[in-house]
Amino acid sequence: EAQVTQNPRYLITVTGKKLTVTCSQNMNHEYMSWYRQDPGLGLRQIYYSMNVEVTDKGDVPEGYKVSRKEKRNFPLILESPSPNQTSLYFCASRSRTAQYGYTFGSGTRLTVV
Amino acid sequence: GNSVTQMEGPVTLSEEAFLTINCTYTATGYPSLFWYVQYPGEGLQLLLKATKADDKGSNKGFEATYRKETTSFHLEKGSVQVSDSAVYFCALSDRGGATNKLIFGTGTLLAVQP
Repeated sequence: EAQVTQNPRYLITVTGKKLTVTCSQNMNHEYMSWYRQDPGLGLRQIYYSMNVEVTDKGDVPEGYKVSRKEKRNFPLILESPSPNQTSLYFCASRSRTAQYGYTFGSGTRLTVV
Repeated sequence: GNSVTQMEGPVTLSEEAFLTINCTYTATGYPSLFWYVQYPGEGLQLLLKATKADDKGSNKGFEATYRKETTSFHLEKGSVQVSDSAVYFCALSDRGGATNKLIFGTGTLLAVQP
């Protein structure tokens, strides 16, 4: 089944403790993105990648890092999480040639206390 | 810059009622337009799309027409069901843009009562 898989689904952590949210897609998509969803703000792009070793900042990149060493994986790294990063995170991917929107993962609900 | 504005919710309807969720956009060039749906506890799913002016996207009884003259992409359904209860997001994608991102509206919660 074609899908984007994120892990974990839920995570509670403490301020300053480094964490990684994994994202993997099995569709051989070139483009991958991370979004965060906050009430009243919709979804905002954090980082995106157009292919292996090609990443760039989205609208809200502060406090996040990403890497794209393999085409299928696009982890989101929070080096020193803070409470304002409590949010619902989505990974998404699409083919370079498709203009039909992204395929989204099921989301990761992160709480930083 | 590019942006999407959609009506605030929640929208509460009785089963079989007619649904309209308004969406307007601001964009340079010719964006593609989308409606995504998020059911409780799940990720976003593409509901329908339109890639050029006057295109009509449709799926599962939902429709939306790309109106360039009014910069709108309103979502409609003739008869909603309880199972349609979800959050609906309007979004645009700048096909020529370097950032390759979707720009979302704030989402509209639809609650359908039996």
